[in-house]
This record gives sequence, C-alpha cells and structure tokens, in this order.
Amino acid sequence: LAKTTQPISMDSYEGQEVNITCSHNNIATNDYITWYQQFPSQGPRFIIQGYKTKVTNEVASLFIPADRKSSTLSLPRVSLSDTAVYYCLVGGFETGGFKTIFGAGTRLFVKA
Amino acid sequence: DVKVTQSSRYLVKRTGEKVFLECVQDMDHENMFWYRQDPGLGLRLIYFSYDVKMKEKGDIPEGYSVSREKKERFSLILESASTNQTSMYLCASSPPTQAGGYTFGSGTRLTVV
Repeated sequence: LAKTTQPISMDSYEGQEVNITCSHNNIATNDYITWYQQFPSQGPRFIIQGYKTKVTNEVASLFIPADRKSSTLSLPRVSLSDTAVYYCLVGGFETGGFKTIFGAGTRLFVKA
Repeated sequence: DVKVTQSSRYLVKRTGEKVFLECVQDMDHENMFWYRQDPGLGLRLIYFSYDVKMKEKGDIPEGYSVSREKKERFSLILESASTNQTSMYLCASSPPTQAGGYTFGSGTRLTVV
C-alpha cells in the first residue's frame, strides 16, 4: 500500500506560485494521484487528478514524473483564499478491493 | 450543483448508544465511502460500497457497520458508541471509473460523551 508523505506546512505570499510535493514511493500500477483542498469545518474538495506526466485545469497543475514516485501540485498566483489544507491521495480499485491512502495534509498559509 | 448531503453537522451521543450517520448523494454515483478525520491522523477509510447492498471494509472498520439499501443513500452505524469514536465523519461518492475522484459531504462532527 502506497504511503504518502507531504510537508506539514508551507507559507507563501499572494501572487506567488506554490508547489506542494507528495512522495509515494510504493505507488501501484493502477493507482491514480488526486489532490484535494480542505477548509475548516468543510469536506475536502477535489482539485485535480492524474496518472502520469502533466495535467492542468483551471485552478492547478499536477506534475508526475515518469517513475510516479512523487507528484507536485502547482497553484499559480495564490490568493488569501487559497489558505487551506491540501491532501494528496493515492489509490484506486485493485484486486481485493479499493485501496486509498490520504497524506497527512499540507497546511498552506498565504500572507498578504 | 451536485451534492453529497450528510444529515447532521454536529451530534452529541452517549457512550453505548447506537448511532446512525446518514449520507445522500444526488449524482447517481455507484461508489460511496465513509471516512473519519482526526487531527494528526488525516482521513482514514472506514467502509465503502460500490453498489446497492454491497459493502467492503476499509482500513478501520472495527466498531462500525454500514447499510446501502438504495443507490443514493449510504449509512454509517456505530453499534455501541465509544469515546474513541469522537471524530469528524466524512461521506463521499464517486463514479465507478474515477478512482479517488470523490465528492465529499460537509462532514458530521460526532462527540461521544
């Protein structure tokens, strides 16, 4: 089962690009990598998902190297409202059931 | 807007009580999940279901059971609540082909006294 490791916290300033890396050395062939954002007293919100290489949507980019042992969430030009906890999830359906591992989360604090 | 709705935001129950946490989704998703979230431990999977009347144990199923009688509804049951089950409980759903692409509810903060 792929364990994930993320930095506990990060600070940034408004307008900067923020990159949060998640390590998942034991990722399985069928596993996808998904990132979530969570504000206090709310459920996590889906940001982006990928399997390999690069994925981009309207809010973020996800970079996955060829060996897939890590992934980097990139948030362009963060604002104060991006202050939240960001979770990396590795998992998917495998023989024997559904396997997922959430990282412990990275608390991002964006300053003015 | 698509939704996963959890019936209660806050609950306080006594030790030994049987507790029902209800979750309803309106997206016609096949997969539904129950997680608990605790400080320092992140999100841990309790149970999931990939079809009506189907259920599978997650990582921490002890002390819990689930029920899925209808596609849109997934219930988490604490047979005899204990103080160590005080936690934030999160329900999620996803389509069958989007591994990890969940939509979460807002959560139920359960306190067992």
